[in-house]
Amino acid sequence: NAGVTQTPKFQVLKTGQSMTLQCAQDMNHEYMSWYRQDPGMGLRLIHYSVGAGITDQGEVPNGYNVSRSTTEDFPLRLLSAAPSQTSVYFCASSTKGRYYEQYFGPGTRLTVT
Amino acid sequence: KQEVTQIPAALSVPEGENLVLNCSFTDSAIYNLQWFRQDPGKGLTSLLLIQSSQREQTSGRLNASLDKSSGRSTLYIAASQPGDSATYLCAVDYKLSFGAGTTVTVRA
Repeated sequence: NAGVTQTPKFQVLKTGQSMTLQCAQDMNHEYMSWYRQDPGMGLRLIHYSVGAGITDQGEVPNGYNVSRSTTEDFPLRLLSAAPSQTSVYFCASSTKGRYYEQYFGPGTRLTVT
Repeated sequence: KQEVTQIPAALSVPEGENLVLNCSFTDSAIYNLQWFRQDPGKGLTSLLLIQSSQREQTSGRLNASLDKSSGRSTLYIAASQPGDSATYLCAVDYKLSFGAGTTVTVRA
């Protein structure tokens, strides 16, 4: 199993550009989520999904869109990048339910200039 | 809103000393608590998951305890090694409210 994979590893965008961060898992996990990590602020939940076709907002959803058309994939879209979106983005997955261990991808480091 | 705090923010110990990392949370109605390790520039590695019905979990040199009533969890790392140097994060529940982490340095 590859676990949770994320692409790209690094990305530089100009203000106003759009892009999609990719996340995939091969563990047949129902639950997937996106976090951003900023210095001094810890990790914050952006969006999450409890299964294909179902998504919901986390703590900091503004400026981001998600969709979940398959169990394996959960892409994160930045519609119009802003410097405030410079961060490290992590995708995570787990089996469904409140008690299960979550697994994280290696992260995407995004810089918006 | 669940608030998670980790104190201290940083810790430096000589090799061989036992490590004690603290995590506190404001809402005791949790389902689980997970401890992670993060190396610089890397992703998060899960260390231990404690379900709300459990008091502790152990894995090798690591032991994590949970006291829901007081809103606290403690991660113990026995006989620390330089390879234990990393940032340790605790997170609560499936939507994972994270603490800011404790950065540990183990001096050889």
